[in-house]
Amino acid sequence: GENVEQHPSTLSVQEGDSAVIKCTYSDSASNYFPWYKQELGKRPQLIIDIRSNVGEKKDQRIAVTLNKTAKHFSLHITETQPEDSAVYFCAASGSTGSARQLTFGSGTQLTVLP
Amino acid sequence: GAGVSQSPRYKVTKRGQDVALRCDPISGHVSLYWYRQALGQGPEFLTYFNYEAQQDKSGLPNDRFSAERPEGSISTLTIQRTEQRDSAMYRCASSSPLERPNTGELFFGEGSRLTVL
Repeated sequence: GENVEQHPSTLSVQEGDSAVIKCTYSDSASNYFPWYKQELGKRPQLIIDIRSNVGEKKDQRIAVTLNKTAKHFSLHITETQPEDSAVYFCAASGSTGSARQLTFGSGTQLTVLP
Repeated sequence: GAGVSQSPRYKVTKRGQDVALRCDPISGHVSLYWYRQALGQGPEFLTYFNYEAQQDKSGLPNDRFSAERPEGSISTLTIQRTEQRDSAMYRCASSSPLERPNTGELFFGEGSRLTVL
Protein backbone atom coordinates (compact mmCIF):
# COMPACT_ATOMS: atom_id res chain seq x y z
CA GLY A 1 0.00 0.00 0.00
CA GLU A 2 0.82 3.67 -0.04
CA ASN A 3 3.33 5.08 2.44
CA VAL A 4 3.67 8.83 3.07
CA GLU A 5 6.62 10.33 4.92
CA GLN A 6 6.44 13.93 6.17
CA HIS A 7 9.21 16.24 7.38
CA PRO A 8 9.89 18.06 9.58
CA SER A 9 7.72 16.97 12.50
CA THR A 10 8.02 20.41 14.08
CA LEU A 11 8.82 23.77 12.52
CA SER A 12 9.15 27.19 14.11
CA VAL A 13 9.43 30.35 12.03
CA GLN A 14 9.31 34.06 12.72
CA GLU A 15 6.22 35.91 11.62
CA GLY A 16 6.66 37.06 8.04
CA ASP A 17 9.12 34.31 7.12
CA SER A 18 8.34 31.38 4.83
CA ALA A 19 7.65 27.81 5.89
CA VAL A 20 8.21 24.68 3.81
CA ILE A 21 6.93 21.20 4.62
CA LYS A 22 7.96 18.21 2.52
CA CYS A 23 6.38 14.83 1.88
CA THR A 24 7.35 11.76 -0.07
CA TYR A 25 5.11 8.95 -1.24
CA SER A 26 5.75 5.41 -2.36
CA ASP A 27 3.00 4.52 -4.85
CA SER A 28 3.84 5.91 -8.28
CA ALA A 29 0.18 5.49 -9.29
CA SER A 30 -1.03 8.00 -6.69
CA ASN A 31 -2.65 10.95 -8.41
CA TYR A 32 -4.14 13.22 -5.78
CA PHE A 33 -2.25 15.09 -3.06
CA PRO A 34 -4.16 17.25 -0.57
CA TRP A 35 -2.91 19.21 2.41
CA TYR A 36 -4.98 19.53 5.58
CA LYS A 37 -4.60 22.02 8.42
CA GLN A 38 -5.64 21.02 11.92
CA GLU A 39 -5.79 23.67 14.62
CA LEU A 40 -5.57 22.58 18.23
CA GLY A 41 -8.68 20.66 19.24
CA LYS A 42 -10.31 21.15 15.83
CA ARG A 43 -11.04 18.95 12.85
CA PRO A 44 -8.65 18.69 9.86
CA GLN A 45 -9.61 21.03 7.03
CA LEU A 46 -8.44 21.04 3.43
CA ILE A 47 -6.30 24.05 2.54
CA ILE A 48 -4.99 23.13 -0.90
CA ASP A 49 -4.66 20.11 -3.14
CA ILE A 50 -2.88 19.17 -6.33
CA ARG A 51 -3.44 16.51 -8.92
CA SER A 52 -0.74 14.64 -10.78
CA ASN A 53 -1.30 16.43 -14.07
CA VAL A 54 0.15 19.72 -12.75
CA GLY A 55 3.43 20.57 -11.09
CA GLU A 56 2.46 23.60 -8.99
CA LYS A 57 -0.62 25.26 -7.60
CA LYS A 58 -0.97 28.54 -5.70
CA ASP A 59 -3.67 30.04 -3.55
CA GLN A 60 -2.72 33.42 -2.08
CA ARG A 61 0.05 32.76 0.48
CA ILE A 62 0.13 29.01 0.08
CA ALA A 63 1.47 26.90 -2.76
CA VAL A 64 2.09 23.25 -3.39
CA THR A 65 4.63 21.71 -5.73
CA LEU A 66 4.71 18.15 -7.02
CA ASN A 67 7.61 16.19 -8.47
CA LYS A 68 6.19 12.95 -9.82
CA THR A 69 9.55 11.59 -10.88
CA ALA A 70 10.99 11.91 -7.40
CA LYS A 71 7.62 11.15 -5.77
CA HIS A 72 7.65 14.12 -3.49
CA PHE A 73 5.49 17.17 -2.92
CA SER A 74 5.84 20.23 -0.75
CA LEU A 75 3.74 22.91 0.92
CA HIS A 76 5.03 26.46 0.90
CA ILE A 77 3.56 29.18 3.12
CA THR A 78 4.84 32.71 2.56
CA GLU A 79 4.51 35.75 4.84
CA THR A 80 3.53 33.53 7.75
CA GLN A 81 1.14 34.84 10.37
CA PRO A 82 0.42 33.64 13.92
CA GLU A 83 -2.90 32.18 12.75
CA ASP A 84 -0.94 29.83 10.49
CA SER A 85 0.18 27.98 13.62
CA ALA A 86 -1.34 24.49 13.44
CA VAL A 87 -0.55 20.90 12.51
CA TYR A 88 -0.34 20.35 8.77
CA PHE A 89 -0.90 16.94 7.19
CA CYS A 90 -0.03 15.90 3.68
CA ALA A 91 -1.79 12.97 2.07
CA ALA A 92 -1.73 10.89 -1.09
CA SER A 93 -4.39 8.80 -2.73
CA GLY A 94 -3.50 5.17 -3.21
CA SER A 95 -3.96 3.28 -6.46
CA THR A 96 -5.71 0.31 -4.90
CA GLY A 97 -9.31 0.26 -3.83
CA SER A 98 -11.13 3.56 -3.67
CA ALA A 99 -9.87 6.58 -5.51
CA ARG A 100 -10.17 8.64 -2.39
CA GLN A 101 -8.58 6.30 0.15
CA LEU A 102 -6.07 8.78 1.45
CA THR A 103 -2.88 7.91 3.29
CA PHE A 104 -1.83 10.74 5.59
CA GLY A 105 1.59 11.78 6.73
CA SER A 106 2.36 12.02 10.42
CA GLY A 107 1.97 15.79 10.52
CA THR A 108 4.09 18.90 11.02
CA GLN A 109 3.49 21.18 13.99
CA LEU A 110 4.08 24.70 12.65
CA THR A 111 4.58 27.49 15.16
CA VAL A 112 4.73 31.07 13.92
CA LEU A 113 6.47 33.26 16.47
CA PRO A 114 5.26 36.86 16.72
CA GLY B 1 -26.95 19.42 8.27
CA ALA B 2 -24.35 22.13 7.91
CA GLY B 3 -21.43 19.87 8.71
CA VAL B 4 -20.49 16.32 9.60
CA SER B 5 -21.90 15.47 12.99
CA GLN B 6 -20.53 12.73 15.24
CA SER B 7 -21.75 11.31 18.52
CA PRO B 8 -20.84 10.77 21.21
CA ARG B 9 -18.04 13.35 21.35
CA TYR B 10 -16.48 11.48 24.27
CA LYS B 11 -16.91 7.86 25.28
CA VAL B 12 -15.26 6.17 28.22
CA THR B 13 -15.83 2.45 28.48
CA LYS B 14 -14.43 -0.55 30.26
CA ARG B 15 -12.39 -3.15 28.47
CA GLY B 16 -14.59 -5.85 26.98
CA GLN B 17 -17.62 -3.62 26.38
CA ASP B 18 -19.04 -2.89 22.94
CA VAL B 19 -19.25 0.67 21.65
CA ALA B 20 -21.13 2.24 18.76
CA LEU B 21 -20.04 5.53 17.23
CA ARG B 22 -22.40 7.46 15.02
CA CYS B 23 -21.78 9.71 12.05
CA ASP B 24 -24.26 11.96 10.28
CA PRO B 25 -22.63 13.20 7.05
CA ILE B 26 -23.29 16.38 5.12
CA SER B 27 -26.61 16.08 3.36
CA GLY B 28 -26.20 14.95 -0.24
CA HIS B 29 -22.68 13.61 0.16
CA VAL B 30 -22.25 10.27 -1.54
CA SER B 31 -19.13 9.03 0.21
CA LEU B 32 -18.58 8.48 3.91
CA TYR B 33 -15.28 7.57 5.50
CA TRP B 34 -14.12 6.42 8.90
CA TYR B 35 -10.64 7.32 10.08
CA ARG B 36 -8.82 6.77 13.37
CA GLN B 37 -6.42 9.40 14.62
CA ALA B 38 -3.98 8.72 17.41
CA LEU B 39 -2.58 11.67 19.35
CA GLY B 40 0.12 13.40 17.33
CA GLN B 41 -0.52 11.32 14.23
CA GLY B 42 -2.35 11.73 10.95
CA PRO B 43 -5.73 10.14 10.32
CA GLU B 44 -5.55 6.43 9.53
CA PHE B 45 -8.07 5.04 7.02
CA LEU B 46 -10.50 2.42 8.35
CA THR B 47 -13.32 2.02 5.85
CA TYR B 48 -15.51 3.88 3.39
CA PHE B 49 -18.95 3.77 1.77
CA ASN B 50 -20.49 5.02 -1.42
CA TYR B 51 -24.16 5.38 -0.66
CA GLU B 52 -25.01 2.30 1.41
CA ALA B 53 -22.34 0.05 -0.11
CA GLN B 54 -19.15 -0.55 1.84
CA GLN B 55 -16.48 -0.12 -0.82
CA ASP B 56 -13.34 -0.76 1.14
CA LYS B 57 -12.81 -2.08 4.65
CA SER B 58 -9.14 -2.88 4.33
CA GLY B 59 -8.21 -0.48 7.12
CA LEU B 60 -10.31 -2.12 9.82
CA PRO B 61 -7.77 -3.52 12.30
CA ASN B 62 -9.55 -6.80 12.99
CA ASP B 63 -12.96 -8.45 13.03
CA ARG B 64 -13.99 -6.65 16.23
CA PHE B 65 -14.48 -3.56 14.09
CA SER B 66 -17.45 -3.22 11.75
CA ALA B 67 -19.33 -0.40 10.07
CA GLU B 68 -22.63 0.05 8.34
CA ARG B 69 -24.55 2.71 6.47
CA PRO B 70 -27.87 0.97 5.82
CA GLU B 71 -29.78 3.82 4.18
CA GLY B 72 -26.88 5.61 2.57
CA SER B 73 -26.82 8.44 5.09
CA ILE B 74 -26.03 7.90 8.79
CA SER B 75 -23.26 5.44 9.55
CA THR B 76 -22.32 3.51 12.67
CA LEU B 77 -18.87 2.21 13.54
CA THR B 78 -19.07 -0.61 16.07
CA ILE B 79 -16.21 -1.94 18.13
CA GLN B 80 -16.89 -5.17 19.97
CA ARG B 81 -15.06 -6.36 23.08
CA THR B 82 -13.05 -3.15 23.30
CA GLU B 83 -9.39 -3.23 24.27
CA GLN B 84 -7.18 -0.47 25.65
CA ARG B 85 -5.34 -0.22 22.33
CA ASP B 86 -8.62 0.87 20.71
CA SER B 87 -8.40 4.19 22.56
CA ALA B 88 -8.17 6.96 19.95
CA MET B 89 -10.08 9.71 18.20
CA TYR B 90 -12.43 8.24 15.62
CA ARG B 91 -13.22 10.67 12.83
CA CYS B 92 -15.87 10.46 10.21
CA ALA B 93 -15.64 12.36 6.93
CA SER B 94 -17.91 12.80 3.96
CA SER B 95 -17.28 13.90 0.40
CA SER B 96 -18.57 14.00 -3.16
CA PRO B 97 -21.73 16.05 -3.33
CA LEU B 98 -24.15 14.65 -5.86
CA GLU B 99 -23.90 17.72 -8.07
CA ARG B 100 -20.07 17.69 -8.06
CA PRO B 101 -18.91 14.10 -7.71
CA ASN B 102 -15.31 13.12 -7.06
CA THR B 103 -14.20 16.57 -5.98
CA GLY B 104 -11.85 14.93 -3.52
CA GLU B 105 -12.22 17.15 -0.48
CA LEU B 106 -12.97 15.35 2.75
CA PHE B 107 -15.13 17.17 5.29
CA PHE B 108 -14.26 15.83 8.71
CA GLY B 109 -16.44 15.70 11.78
CA GLU B 110 -15.31 16.78 15.24
CA GLY B 111 -14.61 13.17 16.10
CA SER B 112 -15.50 10.75 18.87
CA ARG B 113 -12.78 10.35 21.47
CA LEU B 114 -12.84 6.80 22.79
CA THR B 115 -11.08 5.87 26.00
CA VAL B 116 -11.00 2.22 27.02
CA LEU B 117 -10.09 1.65 30.65
